[in-house]
Amino acid sequence: AQSVAQPEDQVNVAEGNPLTVKCTYSVSGNPYLFWYVQYPNRGLQFLLKYITGDNLVKGSYGFEAEFNKSQTSFHLKKPSALVSDSALYFCAVRRAGTLTFGKGTMLLVSP
Amino acid sequence: NAGVTQTPKFRILKIGQSMTLQCTQDMNHNYMYWYRQDPGMGLKLIYYSVGAGITDKGEVPNGYNVSRSTTEDFPLRLELAAPSQTSVYFCASTKRTGGAGGELFFGEGSRLTVL
Repeated sequence: AQSVAQPEDQVNVAEGNPLTVKCTYSVSGNPYLFWYVQYPNRGLQFLLKYITGDNLVKGSYGFEAEFNKSQTSFHLKKPSALVSDSALYFCAVRRAGTLTFGKGTMLLVSP
Repeated sequence: NAGVTQTPKFRILKIGQSMTLQCTQDMNHNYMYWYRQDPGMGLKLIYYSVGAGITDKGEVPNGYNVSRSTTEDFPLRLELAAPSQTSVYFCASTKRTGGAGGELFFGEGSRLTVL
């Protein structure tokens, strides 16, 4: 079965520091992976996706994600965190025409 | 484009009552979805539709029903509401799910409390 795991419930980082939000996947066949962000009391917004090609995927708001096949990971990264990046982040995998989501990781960026 | 619109945003139900959550999209998307979000549990797929007249069960369909009479609308029906259905419900849509596609567009959510 296709699934993703987000091992951290919360990630804390100081503003200006690099951030990483972790995601590992378990799929049969080629993985199609996504990252979404959810701000308080809002719907989910698409950040980026990996379908094929370059292992480093660039997305919205300065975020990027690194696909690593040997480690079955798809970690979300940003070189310099902003307080406004504080939100709930979801990793997801495409499966049979739907998306299966991880449990989410709360990112808190302190001033 | 308004995107995906959900109504109502908030609702309180008594146990045993029924209601319909409305979802409409103006992007001419074929695929539509209903998810529920519970704290610490991520999003769980309730039902989805690949086009008008076609619906299918997701991971947690019990206690819910859907219909898809038009491309634009995908209402979710709760029959005999139970406290376990207290959740935030999200509707989403996408144009295509294969190839380089698959990213979903979400509504703002409907917060339902069953007391």
